[in-house]
Amino acid sequence: KAGVTQTPRYLIKTRGQQVTLSCSPISGHRSVSWYQQTPGQGLQFLFEYFSETQRNKGNFPGRFSGRQFSNSRSEMNVSTLELGDSALYLCASSDSEGADTQYFGPGTRLTVL
Amino acid sequence: QKEVEQNSGPLSVPEGAIASLNCTYSDRGSQSFFWYRQYSGKSPELIMSIYSNGDKEDGRFTAQLNKASQYVSLLIRDSQPSDSATYLCAYIEAGTSYGKLTFGQGTILTVHP
Repeated sequence: KAGVTQTPRYLIKTRGQQVTLSCSPISGHRSVSWYQQTPGQGLQFLFEYFSETQRNKGNFPGRFSGRQFSNSRSEMNVSTLELGDSALYLCASSDSEGADTQYFGPGTRLTVL
Repeated sequence: QKEVEQNSGPLSVPEGAIASLNCTYSDRGSQSFFWYRQYSGKSPELIMSIYSNGDKEDGRFTAQLNKASQYVSLLIRDSQPSDSATYLCAYIEAGTSYGKLTFGQGTILTVHP
């Protein structure tokens, strides 16, 4: 099976702009989780979707949002970008309803100038 | 207290030696534990999952879980230079924490020839 794919791989934006990142899970996987990775904070959970429903959300401001489509593909959006949003954004998919073992995509490297 | 504590690094071992990576966690109800490997500039790659007390072996890797002591470890036998990476332990919280992996800060392992 093909792995988790994320697009774009690299992105440069300026403060105040918004950005949309896309994630396609492994075929058959219905759960998609999103994480932010920074050198200072490490890997932090953003949110998780299963069958188009957000089931869990981390401690991020409302500027971070997401959605999932009927084909399990997911997008996350960050509005009004801040310098501190520069990070590697990772999505991971899982095949169980309990969202157990997660497999990560290559990530999107976002730089905010 | 951090939710997940990993042994401080960096850890340096000679080729062929056993590398020992340790992790303690605070959530007594956690059921699922994972070890990921992350090469510089890449996304986390699943090495092993473990759910029950005791040892689980997969090739050169052995994970050990002790829920009473809230401790999980990873042993890498016959370490190779290609094992040089950051190793992340993670767990899924008990209860309705769908899709939320909680990660440690990672331990950098260097295997020198």
